[in-house]
Amino acid sequence: EEQLLESGGGLVQPGGSLRLSCAASGFTFSSFAMNWVRQAPGKGLEWVSAIGSRGTGTYYADSVKGRFTISRDNSKNTLYLQMNSLRAEDTAIYYCAKPRGGYLHDAFDFWGQGTMVTVSS
Amino acid sequence: DIQMTQSPSSLSASVGDRVTITCQASQDISNYLNWYQQKPGKAPKLLIYDASNLETGVPSRFSGSGSGTDFTFTISSLQPEDIATYYCQQYDNLPTFGQGTRLEIK
Repeated sequence: EEQLLESGGGLVQPGGSLRLSCAASGFTFSSFAMNWVRQAPGKGLEWVSAIGSRGTGTYYADSVKGRFTISRDNSKNTLYLQMNSLRAEDTAIYYCAKPRGGYLHDAFDFWGQGTMVTVSS
Repeated sequence: DIQMTQSPSSLSASVGDRVTITCQASQDISNYLNWYQQKPGKAPKLLIYDASNLETGVPSRFSGSGSGTDFTFTISSLQPEDIATYYCQQYDNLPTFGQGTRLEIK
């Protein structure tokens, strides 16, 4: 059974940093590109970042470019999102999402339960 | 960025009604369009991929159509468990989502 388990969320002050993790199981993690998608309270879905299956090739939404870094450790079946210079508008539930066919450009057929990030003083 | 315009933003319908949601892309995205359902407090669930393909395990009352810039999502006979917010998403380029359609029972 596929599983994605996010962790690392919490309360952080503006300008602070946080590192999210997403532990994957039930599929061949190293064969799949992976994504982060976020949802601000009461708002819609926003794609944040993607990474290729081997870690080469990273992509970011303009809203986080230069502040967030996506990475992965295929030996640990884990996806990461390093978030720096956090702003109030980064407050959201952060989901990791698996692409259906494993490709960077694909539908997201499995999502984690999400981890909440709150940026506030 | 490719913009996705989804309408309506909210919709109230009765059980058994046919429900239609539309999504328009700001440029040609071929059939690189997916539809998701999200219930309160839950992660989104993929319903339709590549504009018209039903994801495994999804009831056949859900369907999708369209290509290019104009897409339609349909529930043929609304059920109480279909109450949710629905999103379109393109993946021709970096992914973008529509604004969502909140579906309520009348």
